[in-house]
Amino acid sequence: QKEVEQNSGPLSVPEGAIASLNCTYSDRVSQSFFWYRQYSGKSPELIMSIYSNGDKEDGRFTAQLNKASQYVSLLIRDSQPSDSATYLCAVGDYKLSFGAGTTVTVRA
Amino acid sequence: SAVISQKPSRDICQRGTSLTIQCQVDSQVTMMFWYRQQPGQSLTLIATANQGSEATYESGFVIDKFPISRPNLTFSTLTVSNMSPEDSSIYLCSVEDREGNSYNEQFFGPGTRLTVL
Repeated sequence: QKEVEQNSGPLSVPEGAIASLNCTYSDRVSQSFFWYRQYSGKSPELIMSIYSNGDKEDGRFTAQLNKASQYVSLLIRDSQPSDSATYLCAVGDYKLSFGAGTTVTVRA
Repeated sequence: SAVISQKPSRDICQRGTSLTIQCQVDSQVTMMFWYRQQPGQSLTLIATANQGSEATYESGFVIDKFPISRPNLTFSTLTVSNMSPEDSSIYLCSVEDREGNSYNEQFFGPGTRLTVL
């Protein structure tokens, strides 16, 4: 499977701050990139998908993709305690490879 | 997105036995996937299950250990055979659900938490 690496955590941010998550991948062929959120004891939930270079915004979430640098990131603006979870980066065109995840804790 | 259910939600099994996990989707989907998430780890793809063809297994996973059925477009099963404590994991099925400009998006079932004693 393709290698997917995420910045090591855990990441602790105060409520209202921006949480920044990074992911690099090895496979230059992949065209599909995803961010999943996983609460403790729950299954992963898709929160963002991105396919082309640049930024994609959805509410408080912004995904950024740079295929030349093989880099994808996720920004969480105005972080809330409910954002406390593990965030998984996934790469692949139908067969997904996942990173190890970054655990985010938002301090009230 | 599709609604996915799995049975059982959890089980505790003895080593040497087998467990079959069911995955049911509320709509017809072409591609279904089975993943494993070992304690404290990320997800690893076990196999891709397409209706009407043999499942395709990833490196490190074999059909004798993880036989998969895909009898129709809404259902699949994964069997964990001859279990050992190393098989203790969460097993997740996912489906690819295409809507609008999105593609290759996968949505996960709630998972089956397996403990092997």
